Amino acid sequence: GENVEQHPSTLSVQEGDSAVIKCTYSDSASNYFPWYKQELGKRPQLIIDIRSNVGEKKDQRIAVTLNKTAKHFSLHITETQPEDSAVYFCAASRGAGSYQLTFGKGTKLSVIP
Amino acid sequence: GAVVSQHPSWVICKSGTSVKIECRSLDFQATTMFWYRQFPKQSLMLMATSNEGSKATYEQGVEKDKFLINHASLTLSTLTVTSAHPEDSSFYICSATGLAGVGSYEQYFGPGTRLTVT
Repeated sequence: GENVEQHPSTLSVQEGDSAVIKCTYSDSASNYFPWYKQELGKRPQLIIDIRSNVGEKKDQRIAVTLNKTAKHFSLHITETQPEDSAVYFCAASRGAGSYQLTFGKGTKLSVIP
Repeated sequence: GAVVSQHPSWVICKSGTSVKIECRSLDFQATTMFWYRQFPKQSLMLMATSNEGSKATYEQGVEKDKFLINHASLTLSTLTVTSAHPEDSSFYICSATGLAGVGSYEQYFGPGTRLTVT
């Protein structure tokens, strides 16, 4: 089955700096890669996603890059703010056309004011 | 749009009893709903996938007789934890997909239900 590895597990950055979280996946047929932000005790919220026919997608301070050949994708947050502090999960669809997701183990991001 | 609710938000029950958790898509018809389990400081683990009117598909290692899922309509799925034990204590989250029709992968998550079995 699909396996998603996520690194680092924790990340601390100074406010205003950039943060990068990386994920690798095992199933070359995966074609959908979302990123979720989860605050303590709350629901995961989709912050950005990318499909396999696109190499990069950006939404204001957040960007995702995808390297299909290497089977890895990354989340980039620029100009970090304290409210960006949360746990971030990457996920990959289980093969092409599957609505099921396999999640990475999460990265706890702390933005230090 | 794309709001998913869950009820209850938290529940405490005694060992051996059953608990039902409801997941509703409030403003769209969900073609597929998912149930996840999340232990403290851990990731989301998919338990089962359900489509309206069909039997749920359970992940390997998830007991279908213990975690009963009913997806009776396009807006409601229920998870019943039968004969709950303390090790079933966890955060249960549902999600739904189907807002933009077939081919839309985005999952919208409910707020979760924290189950504590004493």
